[in-house]
Amino acid sequence: DAKTTQPPSMDCAEGRAANLPCNHSTISGNEYVYWYRQIHSQGPQYIIHGLKNNETNEMASLIITEDRKSSTLILPHATLRDTAVYYCIVSNSGYALNFGKGTSLLVTP
Amino acid sequence: GAVVSQHPSWVICKSGTSVKIECRSLDFQATTMFWYRQFPKQSLMLMATSNEGSKATYEQGVEKDKFLINHASLTLSTLTVTSAHPEDSSFYICSARDVEGGTGELFFGEGSRLTVL
Repeated sequence: DAKTTQPPSMDCAEGRAANLPCNHSTISGNEYVYWYRQIHSQGPQYIIHGLKNNETNEMASLIITEDRKSSTLILPHATLRDTAVYYCIVSNSGYALNFGKGTSLLVTP
Repeated sequence: GAVVSQHPSWVICKSGTSVKIECRSLDFQATTMFWYRQFPKQSLMLMATSNEGSKATYEQGVEKDKFLINHASLTLSTLTVTSAHPEDSSFYICSARDVEGGTGELFFGEGSRLTVL
């Protein structure tokens, strides 16, 4: 699997958009970009994933650059409950996911 | 979304005893489930891939005789920590992918916290 690079931590004010970057310069053509988050002492929660096109769901938006070497997860209106560790993972569909260290997002009042 | 359930959510046991953790996919079938382990302040580490009706595949460094995995049906996988010791204390998490539906995402259980005294 291609490796990813994420900042170790970020802060965001409540109500503002949280933009979490991820670099995956060695991604291969058939690897997807997955985003998960983990709130303390819980299992990871799926957020969104994509291959080439930008994606949006009820939780977030995923922006993937045209060369697919980086992506950004956008939480449009962060709340205190969005405080968590966010993991960006690239992997072929159907395979296990290998977690890196992720970004610890702190949403402040 | 699809639901994966683990039981128990937490367990405390004495050193030398065995502990079984169950992982169930509640509303979908999964031919493959994955078991992870997470130590405090660390990320999830893949332990093994559980295949329905066949032997599990273990990651390098994970003792297959200590961490017994059984995937007896398309909705149930179990992880048994045999002769547990304090260093086995950890957060164990399973995950599964919908065989027929879904779009490729893995769904994770709530995790099982094991404390070995």
